[in-house]
Amino acid sequence: EPEVTQTPSHQVTQMGQEVILRCVPISNHLYFYWYRQILGQKVEFLVSFYNNEISEKSEIFDDQFSVERPDGSNFTLKIRSTKLEDSAMYFCASRLGLLLTDTQYFGPGTRLTVL
Amino acid sequence: AQTVTQSQPEMSVQEAETVTLSCTYDTSESNYYLFWYKQPPSRQMILVIRQEAYKQQNATENRFSVNFQKAAKSFSLKISDSQLGDTAMYFCAFMKQAEKLVFGKGMKLTVNP
Repeated sequence: EPEVTQTPSHQVTQMGQEVILRCVPISNHLYFYWYRQILGQKVEFLVSFYNNEISEKSEIFDDQFSVERPDGSNFTLKIRSTKLEDSAMYFCASRLGLLLTDTQYFGPGTRLTVL
Repeated sequence: AQTVTQSQPEMSVQEAETVTLSCTYDTSESNYYLFWYKQPPSRQMILVIRQEAYKQQNATENRFSVNFQKAAKSFSLKISDSQLGDTAMYFCAFMKQAEKLVFGKGMKLTVNP
């Protein structure tokens, strides 16, 4: 069964450094998402992406964050200058289309630790 | 804005018994989806079951079933014949068409041998 993959599984970085989290969505999916889960808290929406544009973004997704689909397979989340509070699990998800029947499939997540 | 509430932070059940996890939500939409996701210690998000709001019939997936009460905006998950592998965080989530998932705070379920 096709699956969403994410790399790396764990990223450790120093505060103020830039990080890029990578995702490979399911190949025929058109809609892509990033979610974040701070340890012990609920999963929160960051951003959705379709047709090379951001469809929606949350208040969390400020100017420090950006997303890109640099080629036909990867979907990346960049954090320009990491803060301690960016430490969290980051999940990528993809979805075939916009039908209500289209489920979002999650990747295994990237654990980001900012020191 | 939609909200999802899981009022029980933690539950435990004996292996082979049945347990029900509760979830309520608030929306003015008439057409939407509801989901239960399981998050084991590996922290991967695994879809357990989903329910279309326009369907009156409750969804079932093997040992997992839901009790969907649209008027009450209630969406509970029943796990029958609980297994040790069911130990995980369980998140209830809401989605209206073409939009993001909105999650509840989650509930930690422990299945004891």
